[in-house]
Amino acid sequence: AQSVSQHNHHVILSEAASLELGCNYSYGGTVNLFWYVQYPGQHLQLLLKYFSGDPLVKGIKGFEAEFIKSKFSFNLRKPSVQWSDTAEYFCASSEGTGNQFYFGTGTSLTVIP
Amino acid sequence: DTEVTQTPKHLVMGMTNKKSLKCEQHMGHRAMYWYKQKAKKPPELMFVYSYEKLSINESVPSRFSPECPNSSLLNLHLHALQPEDSALYLCASSQVTGVSGNTIYFGEGSWLTVV
Repeated sequence: AQSVSQHNHHVILSEAASLELGCNYSYGGTVNLFWYVQYPGQHLQLLLKYFSGDPLVKGIKGFEAEFIKSKFSFNLRKPSVQWSDTAEYFCASSEGTGNQFYFGTGTSLTVIP
Repeated sequence: DTEVTQTPKHLVMGMTNKKSLKCEQHMGHRAMYWYKQKAKKPPELMFVYSYEKLSINESVPSRFSPECPNSSLLNLHLHALQPEDSALYLCASSQVTGVSGNTIYFGEGSWLTVV
């Protein structure tokens, strides 16, 4: 079975700092990759997704992620974080045309004003 | 706004009560899911329905009983729950297997407290 790992469990940044959250997946075949964000008390929202094509994916709210196949990684980045980015961030993967989704353990981001 | 709607948003129930959580989607998706999420933890898959048939049951206790009346609706019937079942219950939907680049969309969840 696939697995997704997020090594940063809790990240604390000051506003305007740059962000990079790590995500590694285990599946060696065709993979779909996702980043979801969950603001305090809210539901999971899709930030961005990668299926194929350009490995640099741009999402909502200024986030982007880069798919590096050789490293099995799909790290999330944002050049300048805001206090409103404080949330839980979950990386997820699925196989090719499948509908089994695998979630990482999440990274809690706290942005200090 | 999410296109997967869940009711109720909050539910408090006693351990002897019977209640249901409801979920509806109108995106034409034929796969629907129930997830359980504890605070600051990833969603844990409970059930998957594909074409209104139960395709995955992740060894969930029988006090949770899912039902898919039609392609747009998904229910989770609750009976004799335990306090440790208190959590956010998320409904989600997606295309079924066979669609490249399948994406799962979540509802806002139902916050369940068992007293």
